[in-house]
Amino acid sequence: GAVVSQHPSWVICKSGTSVKIECRSLDFQATTMFWYRQFPKQSLMLMATSNEGSKATYEQGVEKDKFLINHASLTLSTLTVTSAHPEDSSFYICSARDRRTTDTQYFGPGTRLTVL
Amino acid sequence: AQSVTQLGSHVSVSEGALVLLRCNYSSSVPPYLFWYVQYPNQGLQLLLKYTSAATLVKGINGFEAEFKKSETSFHLTKPSAHMSDAAEYFCAVSEYQGAQKLVFGQGTRLTINP
Repeated sequence: GAVVSQHPSWVICKSGTSVKIECRSLDFQATTMFWYRQFPKQSLMLMATSNEGSKATYEQGVEKDKFLINHASLTLSTLTVTSAHPEDSSFYICSARDRRTTDTQYFGPGTRLTVL
Repeated sequence: AQSVTQLGSHVSVSEGALVLLRCNYSSSVPPYLFWYVQYPNQGLQLLLKYTSAATLVKGINGFEAEFKKSETSFHLTKPSAHMSDAAEYFCAVSEYQGAQKLVFGQGTRLTINP
């Protein structure tokens, strides 16, 4: 139980294009999902908190117009990197909090984004 | 502001030896503490968590951690390492009971020598 999937697992795109990453909770409902960014050999940094049916809350320094987050249902959140640039290349990881047991985040496998 | 420091970005132990991964935290409020493990190309898996109950927390795969407020530490241990324990381990802290806004340490890569 408590499985979170991400799609795609990796993506390569050209500079200036937009990329959408999906995060799904497969066997539970998640009122809250989180998006993290992980640079090579570095820790996970929280980018934003996404609540179903409402606007995402972004961490300081994260551009909300650059990283669009949508949490349209209890099992799906999407992160769209708009007008991607090489510096956006990173490992993006989502997590979801089970609405029944709210004290644990379950993590997806991550998406490797490379912007050329 | 909360922070987590994991001492040692890389720890190497022999199979069957004690595993000790160090984590120190900083928090202005009573913290909630977590250890996660990340295998290559996989997501993070929760090993154990401290949420203000017993200070010695037992987790999956034989791991345990002890919350020591006086030392602001939450070190992860396992009596006998197994080859399958090789992975990246992350310590995280949250000031919210609902596992909101986790702050992660830098991670420690554990290598097991045969």
